[in-house]
Amino acid sequence: QQQVKQSPQSLIVQKGGISIINCAYENTAFDYFPWYQQFPGKGPALLIAIRPDVSEKKEGRFTISFNKSAKQFSLHIMDSQPGDSATYFCAALKAAGNKLTFGGGTRVLVKP
Amino acid sequence: EAQVTQNPRYLITVTGKKLTVTCSQNMNHEYMSWYRQDPGLGLRQIYYSMNVEVTDKGDVPEGYKVSRKEKRNFPLILESPSPNQTSLYFCASSYRDRDYGYTFGSGTRLTVV
Repeated sequence: QQQVKQSPQSLIVQKGGISIINCAYENTAFDYFPWYQQFPGKGPALLIAIRPDVSEKKEGRFTISFNKSAKQFSLHIMDSQPGDSATYFCAALKAAGNKLTFGGGTRVLVKP
Repeated sequence: EAQVTQNPRYLITVTGKKLTVTCSQNMNHEYMSWYRQDPGLGLRQIYYSMNVEVTDKGDVPEGYKVSRKEKRNFPLILESPSPNQTSLYFCASSYRDRDYGYTFGSGTRLTVV
């Protein structure tokens, strides 16, 4: 049973467009909600993260929107670039036990 | 350079032949964990360790063993590998009770035939 559900599984966007990835979680005991970016042949790397008491966090072209009541959060990649082509994972962390639970991943392809 | 190092990167083995995947980190992290990555399922936790000599099961521990005799090392052991353990494996580490930034290794692609 996946506690964090991610959609879509794949996404194609034109250069300069907006990529949007959505996640929903079931367990209200999560404390942090990070996003990881993974390039082929590499391990995931932390991209941006948000606490549940914040509704939005922006870092450069990457923005997380968080809706606590709906138990949903999303990643927006503005002005998408070919270098953003990667697999993105949402995740949820329980601070007690330091356990990170991942969504299924979204493969993003940005076409030039 | 701060990093998590896994070896080997690629491994093809036969059913039932014991193998070990090594993981080492140089950041003095207390917490270490093993994940497997399968298409559509994301990363699922196999085992984790909060500190030396402290290990516990994750979500998919069947068929795996781990040990944490030193803070920097956290090997993953497959005593009798089976084809359903063919997967991409990642080791990760982080500080405990500090932030949520896991550092991942580059992965080990295991094929069991």
